[in-house]
Amino acid sequence: GEDVEQSLFLSVREGDSSVINCTYTDSSSTYLYWYKQEPGAGLQLLTYIFSNMDMKQDQRLTVLLNKKDKHLSLRIADTQTGDSAIYFCAFPAGREYGNKLVFGAGTILRVKS
Amino acid sequence: DTGVSQNPRHKITKRGQNVTFRCDPISEHNRLYWYRQTLGQGPEFLTYFQNEAQLEKSRLLSDRFSAERPKGSFSTLEIQRTEQGDSAMYLCASSAGLAGGETQYFGPGTRLLVL
Repeated sequence: GEDVEQSLFLSVREGDSSVINCTYTDSSSTYLYWYKQEPGAGLQLLTYIFSNMDMKQDQRLTVLLNKKDKHLSLRIADTQTGDSAIYFCAFPAGREYGNKLVFGAGTILRVKS
Repeated sequence: DTGVSQNPRHKITKRGQNVTFRCDPISEHNRLYWYRQTLGQGPEFLTYFQNEAQLEKSRLLSDRFSAERPKGSFSTLEIQRTEQGDSAMYLCASSAGLAGGETQYFGPGTRLLVL
């Protein structure tokens, strides 16, 4: 079955870069997503990458995709205290394109001022 | 575009009671999803609608759970005879579908506590 693994916790100082890693098992996904969840809130879409790309940059966010190793990473430049949250990688899985999302357990990012 | 909305935001109930949650997707999004998230975990898929048709249900969706989307717009998720293990955050998401993109946008969730 589909599986997604993430490291559980990351602590960085304000202004440093953060790198959150994710590995996955399903290689047929066309898109891979990063979502952010603040305490008690729903999920906010941060960014996504199409599977035929190996990098995507969006302001402070850089997504790297290594399809051979099935590894996805999210780099946040100049990390701010407002970036403290849980970050989830996710990919669509199912018989039909665009079906359910499979999520990792999430990485807690703590930013120290 | 007001985003996905969910009501209520919080619900406390006693074991054995029935509860119903509502989700209003982004207008004109024809796909609607329900997920459940327990503490320390990522969301897990429950069920999915394309317009008014319920196309897939997870094994997590026991007989006590039922979801509807009668007119292809808002959806309801009902849990009958609630159990303490049903305590979780219930998340709804919508997407435009193949023609408009598959990205799922999530609502704020309904947090359920069963005493």
